[in-house]
Amino acid sequence: DTGVSQDPRHKITKRGQNVTFRCDPISEHNRLYWYRQTLGQGPEFLTYFQNEAQLEKSRLLSDRFSAERPKGSFSTLEIQRTEQGDSAMYLCASSDVTVNTEAFFGQGTRLTVV
Amino acid sequence: AQKITQTQPGMFVQEKEAVTLDCTYDTSDQSYGLFWYKQPSSGEMIFLIYQGSYDEQNATEGRYSLNFQKARKSANLVISASQLGDSAMYFCAMREGEDSSYKLIFGSGTRLLVRP
Repeated sequence: DTGVSQDPRHKITKRGQNVTFRCDPISEHNRLYWYRQTLGQGPEFLTYFQNEAQLEKSRLLSDRFSAERPKGSFSTLEIQRTEQGDSAMYLCASSDVTVNTEAFFGQGTRLTVV
Repeated sequence: AQKITQTQPGMFVQEKEAVTLDCTYDTSDQSYGLFWYKQPSSGEMIFLIYQGSYDEQNATEGRYSLNFQKARKSANLVISASQLGDSAMYFCAMREGEDSSYKLIFGSGTRLLVRP
């Protein structure tokens, strides 16, 4: 399967704990995006990378959130000191900026903070 | 400010019939792109169709077509010959500017249920 892969698919954590999610984009894609989707809403943009450079961060990305994309391949999204309001689906997407195509999404990581 | 509005929280359609899902948008940019994605219960966002603001023809992809009315700022999705597998959430989204697949602004979605 050459699609966008996210791990884990589900994560339950206690409030105050740190969590890290991983996204493996389509291999030839140079752009990688993170979105957050709460229940009953559409996805909201969090941040994106072009290769290894993080080019934009949304105001939704508080100081407790950090994303990395070392070597321009996979990406991680870490949430420190989780809060119940962080419970959501975290979606990763990738695209190839040189080919003018749509973004392809992974199946997401559903986070539940208890 | 950029905004996508989907006014239909839920829709029903009989199998084999056509259905239209509404989407209106607001932008001050002259160049933008409009997308429709399908999200089944598995969670993955599946790309369906794209319309560029300068495209004169309405986009079509198989059973999906986009009814683009620029003056009204609407980009409705038409699904013809509905199938049971079309039951899902549908999201309209917009990206601004020339850069393809830049960050997307999504609407709140429409849940479609196809009745047998």
